[in-house]
Amino acid sequence: SQQGEEDPQALSIQEGENATMNCSYKTSINNLQWYRQNSGRGLVHLILIRSNEREKHSGRLRVTLDTSKKSSSLLITASRAADTASYFCATDGPSNTGKLIFGQGTTLQVKP
Amino acid sequence: EPEVTQTPSHQVTQMGQEVILRCVPISNHLYFYWYRQILGQKVEFLVSFYNNEISEKSEIFDDQFSVERPDGSNFTLKIRSTKLEDSAMYFCASSSSGPGNTIYFGEGSWLTVV
Repeated sequence: SQQGEEDPQALSIQEGENATMNCSYKTSINNLQWYRQNSGRGLVHLILIRSNEREKHSGRLRVTLDTSKKSSSLLITASRAADTASYFCATDGPSNTGKLIFGQGTTLQVKP
Repeated sequence: EPEVTQTPSHQVTQMGQEVILRCVPISNHLYFYWYRQILGQKVEFLVSFYNNEISEKSEIFDDQFSVERPDGSNFTLKIRSTKLEDSAMYFCASSSSGPGNTIYFGEGSWLTVV
């Protein structure tokens, strides 16, 4: 089944460093979305990247997509303590109903 | 910035009771969703809803669950005869143009079944 899987499961860095999280999936997609979740809170949308795009930027966020490898990466540059959260990739699929399949997520800790 | 709002933020219910979780999607959005996240697990899709009908539902979304858009602004998830394993965070989400577009999530409703 189509599934997004993030790597690493946990990441701990110092403030100011860059954080890279990877996501792999199994089947073809139309788009891939990245979300952030602070502990016990809702899902905050970060970036949507379509299957015909290779890279997108939003502020300190950079997302890449390699459809040949069925993988995506999220780079957070110059991290801040406030970036501490779980990050999830979510892929859509052929059902064309907007259903998203989420990965397990990467827990990022940014130490001040 | 427009947002999806959910109520209640937390509900504790006795096993076997019925629960209604409420959501107000972003206005002018047409596609609505419910997801859930059991503590420590992935976010799981439950159901998508468009044009006053279910467009897709997961295996989780059995006869115990139902959704309704009772008026022009609310979108509800009803869970009948709750079980302990229904304890989870339930997220409502909406999008303006459906498949292929950004899906916005609410803050979630924590449901604890005791």
